[in-house]
Amino acid sequence: QKEVEQDPGPLSVPEGAIVSLNCTYSNSAFQYFMWYRQYSRKGPELLMYTYSSGNKEDGRFTAQVDKSSKYISLFIRDSQPSDSATYLCAMISTNAGKSTFGDGTTLTVKP
Amino acid sequence: NAGVTQTPKFQVLKTGQSMTLQCAQDMNHNSMYWYRQDPGMGLRLIYYSASEGTTDKGEVPNGYNVSRLNKREFSLRLESAAPSQTSVYFCASRVLWTGSYEQYFGPGTRLTVT
Repeated sequence: QKEVEQDPGPLSVPEGAIVSLNCTYSNSAFQYFMWYRQYSRKGPELLMYTYSSGNKEDGRFTAQVDKSSKYISLFIRDSQPSDSATYLCAMISTNAGKSTFGDGTTLTVKP
Repeated sequence: NAGVTQTPKFQVLKTGQSMTLQCAQDMNHNSMYWYRQDPGMGLRLIYYSASEGTTDKGEVPNGYNVSRLNKREFSLRLESAAPSQTSVYFCASRVLWTGSYEQYFGPGTRLTVT
């Protein structure tokens, strides 16, 4: 079983919809949780970053971490066609040398 | 700053040929990583170098070798390419201190092995 499982998608929504992207994990040592966005034929770029449990908001994006359930989510409000990309969750334990990534969810926002 | 650069951007190899993928970063990062990305399989770690002078195997190291040439450069070598190594290869780097875990990725190298 993988340490990090991500909802596989693909996901297709109309413009303006609220999008929920989700990952579960099994390693209770993970403390830092990240969401990367990857546009087609590009490298991933960090979108959101949270430490431990709680919510973090950045414009239309909200990252949520529930450590008791080992579940993280990324919410996108008022989704735009420019949000069409693959979203990868990633997590890491303190002082670890490497992150563990989910397989990614491909999102398409239709005008 | 150029960030993380990778060369070449595209490459086609015949089975059995060898090649080296080059990666360089100009952000003074300690750690560097090589991933491969295949459709539906996310990013899989091949090798990483937590700091200059050290390298460690990742999830899928077979068929690859790496060299941390200096703090800036981390190369990935395929000694005898196989069709199963057809993939997109990403190099990444990050600062190694508590509280900063963001990885910066290069643009990728698209490799086809025929």
